[in-house]
Amino acid sequence: NAGVTQTPKFQVLKTGQSMTLQCAQDMNHNSMYWYRQDPGMGLRLIYYSASEGTTDKGEVPNGYNVSRLNKREFSLRLESAAPSQTSVYFCASSEWTENQPQHFGDGTRLSIL
Amino acid sequence: TQLLEQSPQFLSIQEGENLTVYCNSSSVFSSLQWYRQEPGEGPVLLVTVVTGGEVKKLKRLTFQFGDARKDSSLHITAAQPGDTGLYLCAGEESGSARQLTFGSGTQLTVLP
Repeated sequence: NAGVTQTPKFQVLKTGQSMTLQCAQDMNHNSMYWYRQDPGMGLRLIYYSASEGTTDKGEVPNGYNVSRLNKREFSLRLESAAPSQTSVYFCASSEWTENQPQHFGDGTRLSIL
Repeated sequence: TQLLEQSPQFLSIQEGENLTVYCNSSSVFSSLQWYRQEPGEGPVLLVTVVTGGEVKKLKRLTFQFGDARKDSSLHITAAQPGDTGLYLCAGEESGSARQLTFGSGTQLTVLP
């Protein structure tokens, strides 16, 4: 059981380049999330999708867009990468009921030069 | 956005010692989750506490949710090198569309 799969695992971009981070889950979860993790700041929510067909902004959405392609897949796009977007990005999924755990992928380590 | 203050940020102890990690907020949460993260991996859930005053035990780990549901603690008894990792607390607010607010994490190193 793969759980949550993220691709790529590592990426280096130049300022201004665009990129899409892919995420897929095989647990039939309704909800999916994108976070970024920076040293000393925990995980911050970028965007989330409560269910297929819906997306909403989280705490730090500026500079990002998302697409909920189907129930399994939720992608994160950087249209014009900036050095401030250097981070580790995590995708997660969960059931859409209270107090359910989120299941995380292993992250994408992104560096913007 | 509600804030969760987690302390200490770093903790280095000898094998066999006890330790406590704290997670505090001025806001009320419907639940508090604790995750552990290893290098190069995503966080993995350890426990969810829901009721004010609730205490849950997971082997040598004891989790407590404050009576007012604003704070939580994680106590590890007789720490082992295998306990080394980043411990994260995360709170879910009622009506928050299932959004979790994460603390900044406690990096625990247990030395043999």
